Amino acid sequence: SAVISQKPSRDICQRGTSLTIQCQVDSQVTMMFWYRQQPGQSLTLIATANQGSEATYESGFVIDKFPISRPNLTFSTLTVSNMSPEDSSIYLCSVVGLVTSGGADTQYFGPGTRLTVL
Amino acid sequence: DQQVKQNSPSLSVQEGRISILNCDYTNSMFDYFLWYKKYPAEGPTFLISISSIKDKNEDGRFTVFLNKSAKHLSLHIVPSQPGDSAVYFCAARARTDSWGKLQFGAGTQVVVTP
Repeated sequence: SAVISQKPSRDICQRGTSLTIQCQVDSQVTMMFWYRQQPGQSLTLIATANQGSEATYESGFVIDKFPISRPNLTFSTLTVSNMSPEDSSIYLCSVVGLVTSGGADTQYFGPGTRLTVL
Repeated sequence: DQQVKQNSPSLSVQEGRISILNCDYTNSMFDYFLWYKKYPAEGPTFLISISSIKDKNEDGRFTVFLNKSAKHLSLHIVPSQPGDSAVYFCAARARTDSWGKLQFGAGTQVVVTP
């Protein structure tokens, strides 16, 4: 299995500011994703982080609001830009496909970043 | 539109008894289903999965049953233990979607009482 860490684990931010969340995996993985869990709701996929190219965003999410980087097979960042209270959520990094296991595999989640926007 | 539904927001079960969690789905393109457990302040932890070519998958105390005609799956935990107290999420992936694009249910809070 993959061990995923996220930084920060939680933060309280002011409206209008931006926060960058880091995701680090202990193994090279094929695919990395960012999910959001708003209060009282289930998890929703924001985007697929593509190595070396622009992320692929799901309907309702745009690059200007959620810029994503993935410079290599073990690291990705998600930025929440120009935050508003509606952005208060848990943001989760997720990975699939340990390179060492040869490809598609169980999907794992990081511990999440709890963001509160005042 | 919620394609994966967990209609029971909570479940209380006595230690040693069976916990049965239910999940319904509407998208006939779903071909892979997963169950996750989530403790507070932690990310979801993978429990067990099942492909649509099977109707049952077992791993230790956890068994998942899939009824494709009814678009229904269930997770059985036997016997239930206090450490099983958590939120359980059902998730599904469509055969037309890439790995990682999971649709999640709203979750069921399980409380195992002594």
